[in-house]
Amino acid sequence: EAGVAQSPRYKIIEKRQSVAFWCNPISGHATLYWYQQILGQGPKLLIQFQNNGVVDDSQLPKDRFSAERLKGVDSTLKIQPAKLEDSAVYLCASSLRNGRVYNEQFFGPGTRLTVL
Amino acid sequence: GNSVTQMEGPVTLSEEAFLTINCTYTATGYPSLFWYVQYPGEGLQLLLKATKADDKGSNKGFEATYRKETTSFHLEKGSVQVSDSAVYFCALTIANAGGTSYGKLTFGQGTILTVHP
Repeated sequence: EAGVAQSPRYKIIEKRQSVAFWCNPISGHATLYWYQQILGQGPKLLIQFQNNGVVDDSQLPKDRFSAERLKGVDSTLKIQPAKLEDSAVYLCASSLRNGRVYNEQFFGPGTRLTVL
Repeated sequence: GNSVTQMEGPVTLSEEAFLTINCTYTATGYPSLFWYVQYPGEGLQLLLKATKADDKGSNKGFEATYRKETTSFHLEKGSVQVSDSAVYFCALTIANAGGTSYGKLTFGQGTILTVHP
């Protein structure tokens, strides 16, 4: 079974530029998550999708971050404009949902963003 | 709010030593508890989990017991190997009284473990 795919793996940009990250979840996983992992910290949820609907985006900085999952499969996370403090690893995860319970989350390899 | 606190790291051990990584949590609702591991150059992987009080999760020689009375979920291994060198994260998700879970994982800051031969 193929895992969660993410691209690019690394990205270096200047502050105030824009950047986009792509995620392809495990086939059949309706729930998709984007986490931000700043160096030395644990991952923090940015947004959670159930199919193509948003379940939780309470910690997404909406003035500069946006995410979409138009067909309920692939997802794109965008930052515009980027700030120095956005330097982090962006992790995508997916899971099945069984009734009222979300099953184990499977994580992709992440995209390491450096903002100069 | 919900939070997870892990022991300050990093932890450096010799092969075959006993490992404990402390994890405590605060939560509203009904937490399920997890340990995730991140090996060098790899993504996060679920190591073990426990979904209710007094449950013990175990995998690959690692164990952790969900202690509601002390709000803890400490990770232990009796004899570590060089291949256990990684970053370990304690995490939780929350369900409500009706059993509906929210999916979102709240992580601790991670503990770097280095095992020397």
